[in-house]
Amino acid sequence: QVQLVESGGGVVQPGMSLRLSCAASGFTFSNYGMHWVRQAAGKGLEWVALISSDVKTKFYGDSVKGRFSISRDNFKNTLYLQMNSLRTEDTAVYFCARGVEGAPDYWGQGTLVTVSS
Amino acid sequence: QAGLTQPPSVSKVLRQTATLTCTGNSNNVGNQGAAWLQQHQGHPPTLLSYRNNNRPSGISERFSASRSGNTASLTITGLQPEDEADYYCSAWDNSLNAQVFGGGTKLTVL
Repeated sequence: QVQLVESGGGVVQPGMSLRLSCAASGFTFSNYGMHWVRQAAGKGLEWVALISSDVKTKFYGDSVKGRFSISRDNFKNTLYLQMNSLRTEDTAVYFCARGVEGAPDYWGQGTLVTVSS
Repeated sequence: QAGLTQPPSVSKVLRQTATLTCTGNSNNVGNQGAAWLQQHQGHPPTLLSYRNNNRPSGISERFSASRSGNTASLTITGLQPEDEADYYCSAWDNSLNAQVFGGGTKLTVL
């Protein structure tokens, strides 16, 4: 079955960097676009980034553009999110999700990122 | 990025029917339709339907989606206690090149 397992979350100070990983299994990873979506405590879902299956295309949400970078390794079946210049408002649970026909279908359990001084 | 518009809350009685709405524009909902996701407290979202009324395997037929113009709807028939959750709509916006989400509707089953 499809499994997505995020890791790399933690507590960091504003201005610092963090890299999240998402290990995928149970499907042909290289055939699917992949999303990062985040959710602050008690808030709704906020889309962060999308990378195409062939790595050629990447899109970002306005709030993270220029600070975050999405990447993937189709040999390791792993998705990444490099987060630089972190701000307190980036504090959230970060989910990776598989993309199908205009929607994220399978989601991981999420990893918590806390940005605090 | 402008999101999709959903009512913050809906309350319905057990075994009744609830219809949740989601309004976007011609670049997102009106273009490619919407997806609907259900999220129970403390859990990741689950996809209920995509491109208006394509249901992933394992999703109950009590959930059905539709679209009229720039507004998408999710209808849940025979409401059960486990249907109490947050519901989000989402669509790809081909003008923004972004996945947009609604703010979510909290469904309460009385």
